[in-house]
Amino acid sequence: DAGVIQSPRHEVTEMGQEVTLRCKPISGHNSLFWYRQTMMRGLELLIYFNNNVPIDDSGMPEDRFSAKMPNASFSTLKIQPSEPRDSAVYFCASRAKGPYDTEAFFGQGTRLTVV
Amino acid sequence: AQSVTQLGSHVSVSEGALVLLRCNYSSSVPPYLFWYVQYPNQGLQLLLKYTTGATLVKGINGFEAEFKKSETSFHLTKPSAHMSDAAEYFCAVSDPEDYKLSFGAGTTVTVRA
Repeated sequence: DAGVIQSPRHEVTEMGQEVTLRCKPISGHNSLFWYRQTMMRGLELLIYFNNNVPIDDSGMPEDRFSAKMPNASFSTLKIQPSEPRDSAVYFCASRAKGPYDTEAFFGQGTRLTVV
Repeated sequence: AQSVTQLGSHVSVSEGALVLLRCNYSSSVPPYLFWYVQYPNQGLQLLLKYTTGATLVKGINGFEAEFKKSETSFHLTKPSAHMSDAAEYFCAVSDPEDYKLSFGAGTTVTVRA
């Protein structure tokens, strides 16, 4: 398996523009997580899905952020409009549910810069 | 709800010295516990995990961790540091019945030659 695939790896955009980050989880995994990493706040859980259903979005910073998982193999995180304070590395992770498959596997991340 | 506290945001060790990274957790149920490592400009990679059974778990790259329920701790150790161990390390906790994975603030390890 190729692992969790995120695109793009780097994104530079102007303030006010819409940004869409994409994630393809590992096949067969039924949980998907979006995290944001910054120097100031560390690794923050934004939202997670189980079987394509959002379970907890309490970490989404504000209404400008939205996430979808239309099927088991794809998820998006959208920021509209983007602001400079959204600059961070965004990670997607997926996880299987089972007695032994307990860990989350992370993608390489998308480094977002909003100027 | 679960939470994790990592003591010490930065640790500096000499090459060949013991590496000890501290992690304490809070959980209302017996937790699953994890240590992840992050190298610069990369995603997080699993070092080791504890679910049930033996409380001393061994991971990759010579790391190990011990689950101590009485101390609510899951400290990470490596007997002899190598230059390649320089990275950021994250402790994480999960409720076995939940999907949520909560991370600590991370500890950056530097290794001196």
